[in-house]
Order: sequence, then C-alpha cells, then structure tokens
Amino acid sequence: AQTIHQWPVAEIKAVGSPLSLGCTIKGKSSPNLYWYWQATGGTLQQLFYSITVGQVESVVQLNLSASRPKDDQFILSTEKLLLSHSGFYLCAWSRGGNQDTQYFGPGTRLLVL
Amino acid sequence: GQQVKQSSPSLTVQEGGISILNCDYENDMFDYFAWYKKYPDNSPTLLISVRSNVDKREDGRLTVFLNKSGKHFSLHITASQPEDTAVYLCAAGAGYAQGLTFGLGTRVSVFP
Repeated sequence: AQTIHQWPVAEIKAVGSPLSLGCTIKGKSSPNLYWYWQATGGTLQQLFYSITVGQVESVVQLNLSASRPKDDQFILSTEKLLLSHSGFYLCAWSRGGNQDTQYFGPGTRLLVL
Repeated sequence: GQQVKQSSPSLTVQEGGISILNCDYENDMFDYFAWYKKYPDNSPTLLISVRSNVDKREDGRLTVFLNKSGKHFSLHITASQPEDTAVYLCAAGAGYAQGLTFGLGTRVSVFP
C-alpha cells in the first residue's frame, strides 16, 4: 500500500525567514506529485506538479518554489516568507500517466508571524 | 474567475434525509470530476469520481451525476448520517497530471 508523509506537521515562522516543507511517498514508483495550498477560509489551490525527478511545473507561484530531488520526494520552499504564506499545505500523488485521481497527505499547517 | 464553483457554502439535512451538493465548472477541457470529503484540520479524502464518458455513477449511498452540456455535476448522499457532517469539495481535472481545480466547499451538517 502507498503511504504519503509530510513534514513538519506544523510550523510557526517569522516573516522573512526561509521555509522548507517536505513530502515523501512510499510504495509507488514514478508517481505524479503535487503541492496544494489553502489559506484560511480559502479554496484549495494547486501550486506545483511534477511527473518525474528533476522536473517541476508551476501553476501558481506565490513566491514559492518546488523541487523533486528524488522519485519519492517533493520539496516546497522559499527563502523569504510573507504573511500571506500562512495556511495549510497539502502534498498529493497520483498514478503516472493520464490518471487524475489524487490522494492527499496529512498536510502541514504554517503560521507566519 | 473561479473555474469550479460550489454555489452553496452550507447545507443542513436531517438524519436519514438526502444531501444534494452541486458544482458548476467553466473549463470545457475538464474530463474528470470528483468529490472529496474534508474534516477540519485534515486533508481531503476521495469519495467518488467519474470521467466525462459517464453521466452517473453510484457507490453505496453516494451517486454522482454529470451534466456535461450544462457544465454541472452533483453528489447525492442518501440516508444521511451524523458522520456525514463535514466539508465536501468538488474538483475537476483536464487530464495528464496537471492536477485538480477545487471548489470552495460546501459544509454539510446532519442533525438527528
């Protein structure tokens, strides 16, 4: 069975500080990976997706970047946090190819002060 | 503008009744439609999904209806139970790994 893990579970950070959020999926080779973000009271918004190692496509930037250093790992980061980055970050995976069904990780809650 | 819209932010239904959730979309390229259930501070879990070549799909108490010409799909939950109380998100996708576009969600409350 596939499992998806996100770290950290929650984070409180200062404006202007760097951020790195991680996502790992086990039990599935060559998954498609996604980052989503939800501001409090807002809609779940796709940020990035990746269909293979080293390749990341941006959907909405929000002064964030993403990388896929390994087949099973997806990283979301920024060098300088903004207040508007607060929210709930979700990693998701789907099977490779034209498969839309997505499965979400537990999420990371971020508060920027 | 919002590409996927859930017109009702909330819905209250009596236990045993039927919950009907609606979703409208704009993008003609969408060919995958899904409903997710979300509890506060938790991630969404997939309930049911359909592709555009199907106009109805049933799974237990859940039924998805798709009206492609009207750019509309809905979720019917029969025999509603208190544990159905949650936020329901509709989502649509255009294929090939490009991810899903979500609605804002409808909060369903089931009361005894």
